[in-house]
Amino acid sequence: DAGITQSPRHKVTETGTPVTLRCHQTENHRYMYWYRQDPGHGLRLIHYSYGVKDTDKGEVSDGYSVSRSKTEDFLLTLESATSSQTSVYFCAITPDRGQREQYFGPGTRLTVT
Amino acid sequence: KNEVEQSPQNLTAQEGEFITINCSYSVGISALHWLQQHPGGGIVSLFMLSSGKKKHGRLIATINIQEKHSSLHITASHPRDSAVYICAALLNTGNQFYFGTGTSLTVIP
Repeated sequence: DAGITQSPRHKVTETGTPVTLRCHQTENHRYMYWYRQDPGHGLRLIHYSYGVKDTDKGEVSDGYSVSRSKTEDFLLTLESATSSQTSVYFCAITPDRGQREQYFGPGTRLTVT
Repeated sequence: KNEVEQSPQNLTAQEGEFITINCSYSVGISALHWLQQHPGGGIVSLFMLSSGKKKHGRLIATINIQEKHSSLHITASHPRDSAVYICAALLNTGNQFYFGTGTSLTVIP
């Protein structure tokens, strides 16, 4: 257990509204990731962070922004939600040492109506 | 084309059978990660390997770097092994993973 929590766990929102998802870790790892998981696709990277205020885009970053003002929190924001952003969102961390395997949060199911 | 391909996509087995799930990748990697996801559940790390073989209980993972291929084996399968198994390739940059689409395994009692 890498001490990763996500909030909210479920959310339904309307098209055009902003949405922020939160990922919190308790072990101060540098690397944090946001993925989305959709049927027929593997997990796809949205954004990742390698330290406070240090972030980079993944393969499906359009329509998403992130912020990391504290080591323990990584926020994902949908500026104006669209139905194509209906998905399950997973946060993950990679330990700073060792084999760099990923540990995942429990996921957030987001529905955009 | 996906950088990471898994086969089969779906697999049904009788309890007790030996199961093999395959993962092939086309990118340069430093390690290969196997994960498990139960229905409606979270994603759990099983193995991370960069060469050879690893074993944990009834699970065995192997990797052949030259052939860009990894396999996950389950011996004496059990209904509680029913889950989606995902392989992920850690790129040589060390920062990002590419994921396969998963293999859905159902073990029937």
